[in-house]
Amino acid sequence: GQQLNQSPQSMFIQEGEDVSMNCTSSSIFNTWLWYKQDPGEGPVLLIALYKAGELTSNGRLTAQFGITRKDSFLNISASIPSDVGIYFCAGQTSGSRLTFGEGTQLTVNP
Amino acid sequence: DGGITQSPKYLFRKEGQNVTLSCEQNLNHDAMYWYRQDPGQGLRLIYYSQIVNDFQKGDIAEGYSVSREKKESFPLTVTSAQKNPTAFYLCASSGQGLSNQPQHFGDGTRLSIL
Repeated sequence: GQQLNQSPQSMFIQEGEDVSMNCTSSSIFNTWLWYKQDPGEGPVLLIALYKAGELTSNGRLTAQFGITRKDSFLNISASIPSDVGIYFCAGQTSGSRLTFGEGTQLTVNP
Repeated sequence: DGGITQSPKYLFRKEGQNVTLSCEQNLNHDAMYWYRQDPGQGLRLIYYSQIVNDFQKGDIAEGYSVSREKKESFPLTVTSAQKNPTAFYLCASSGQGLSNQPQHFGDGTRLSIL
């Protein structure tokens, strides 16, 4: 089946720093999604990307759909303590199920 | 408020016991999904349903069963055949089954063995 490689697995940063994480796949996807999960809660959708090359922002978050359709990245600018959590990428081809990355655990030190 | 409600938040299972996890949505979504999450891992698909009275196995369906008698409800039963049931279970829904509409998640049920 399809696999997503998400990196890094974990990040420890200082408040105010920028963060970048990415996902790569051996397969082409038509949709890339980025979710954030807080401890003990369900993932919350941050950004959805539907076109190759698309760059979308949501506040301090920016995500891009790679031009090859096999990768995506998420940037967080000027991190704050509430950015702590696990960030998941997910890819989908038309008519198929979502494939999830294994997550990036983000820790922000005040 | 519109959303996905999972209950209970915490559940304990005895050996040989079946337990049922509830998932209800009032988003008028056609498709619903059940995922299992183990520590430090991504989400693995157990079962999904694109429409009422229809459902398909995901990647790890063994030891689980589901039903979809109503559009808003998709309960998951963890049977005694599931030998390692301790995990965080997440329910999701989306507007149309297997379309590119994003899935939205409930807050999960944590299942533990007594």
